[in-house]
Amino acid sequence: AQTVTQSQPEMSVQEAETVTLSCTYDTSESDYYLFWYKQPPSRQMILVIRQEAYKQQNATENRFSVNFQKAAKSFSLKISDSQLGDAAMYFCAYRRDLIQGAQKLVFGQGTRLTINP
Amino acid sequence: KAGVTQTPRYLIKTRGQQVTLSCSPISGHRSVSWYQQTPGQGLQFLFEYFSETQRNKGNFPGRFSGRQFSNSRSEMNVSTLELGDSALYLCASSKTGGSHEKLFFGSGTQLSVL
Repeated sequence: AQTVTQSQPEMSVQEAETVTLSCTYDTSESDYYLFWYKQPPSRQMILVIRQEAYKQQNATENRFSVNFQKAAKSFSLKISDSQLGDAAMYFCAYRRDLIQGAQKLVFGQGTRLTINP
Repeated sequence: KAGVTQTPRYLIKTRGQQVTLSCSPISGHRSVSWYQQTPGQGLQFLFEYFSETQRNKGNFPGRFSGRQFSNSRSEMNVSTLELGDSALYLCASSKTGGSHEKLFFGSGTQLSVL
């Protein structure tokens, strides 16, 4: 079974600085997708960034980028120029397709990110 | 375009009762999946529906059930509620449920079982 591990329950960073959230996963598959989701106090899960395992190039979305190390099964999220609005729970997640449709999202336990003004 | 709508936002029930939660996906989305979020267990997959058929089911007891209607709206039902069922229940939709697709989540239903 696939598992996703986030080893940092909490992180904090000064506004405008850079922070990196860690994620490791375990799978025997070669084709899959990895995601970072953000959950603010509103509780709605928001997709931050997505990485396709067969793509070697790391995904980037504005101030958010990932460091995807497939062999090491590592998928970290870097937030540059941190803003107060980035404060939230961040979840790393894994997903792959099955014949009958996509498998469930497997989530890590989450990292609570605090931005200090 | 309206987002994923979950109703009600909050619900308080007592042990032994049953509850029904509703999820209206984004227009045009035919895949709806449900997740349970608790502080102890984190986010766990309940089930996924596509075109009124359940395609995947998580490791939950039979007290947890769901269905999807022809307009893609979905409901989940929990019978004989237990204290441990207290959780945030999140619904997510996408066009066909493929892994490459972006999942859109609702704001959830917070269920408290007393």
